[in-house]
Amino acid sequence: ELKVEQNPLFLSMQEGKNYTIYCNYSTTSDRLYWYRQDPGKSLESLFVLLSNGAVKQEGRLMASLDTKARLSTLHITAAVHDLSATYFCAVDIETSGSRLTFGEGTQLTVNP
Amino acid sequence: KAGVTQTPRYLIKTRGQQVTLSCSPISGHRSVSWYQQTPGQGLQFLFEYFSETQRNKGNFPGRFSGRQFSNSRSEMNVSTLELGDSALYLCASSLNGNSGNTIYFGEGSWLTVV
Repeated sequence: ELKVEQNPLFLSMQEGKNYTIYCNYSTTSDRLYWYRQDPGKSLESLFVLLSNGAVKQEGRLMASLDTKARLSTLHITAAVHDLSATYFCAVDIETSGSRLTFGEGTQLTVNP
Repeated sequence: KAGVTQTPRYLIKTRGQQVTLSCSPISGHRSVSWYQQTPGQGLQFLFEYFSETQRNKGNFPGRFSGRQFSNSRSEMNVSTLELGDSALYLCASSLNGNSGNTIYFGEGSWLTVV
């Protein structure tokens, strides 16, 4: 059974600081998704990573995938308050169609 | 371009009743998936439909069912509601659900069972 673990689960950081969220998964996969969820809202797609060594960046967020280590990271650079949200990683191992297995989520709070 | 649309957004049901939730995917998307989100269990996969066929199924009891229509719109049904079915139900769509497709989520349907 595929397991996806994120750490930390809670992260409080100051504006301007850098930090990394880690996503480990238990079964070989080259399809890794990152989502953002604001309180009471749906999931917003951030990144789709599809190969070993893939790196994608959008604004202050950068995601990478190491399929050999079964690890993805979401790096936050110079955090701002607007980044406060819960971040989920999800892994897909289906050979036909899709079935996302989500991590527990990392609740990020950026303090002024 | 309209996103994934779910109706109703909020509903309250009584134990033992049944409920039907509806989802309209992004235009041109043929894969529709459903997820349940609860504080205790997190986000869990229910099922995925493609071309009116269920392609993948999660570990939920048979009370949870779904279907997809020829226009790719989807419905899910929960019968004999239990208190534990209270959750946010999210519908997601993608082009064909295959590798590399971005999967877009709707705003969700908040179900409260009393």
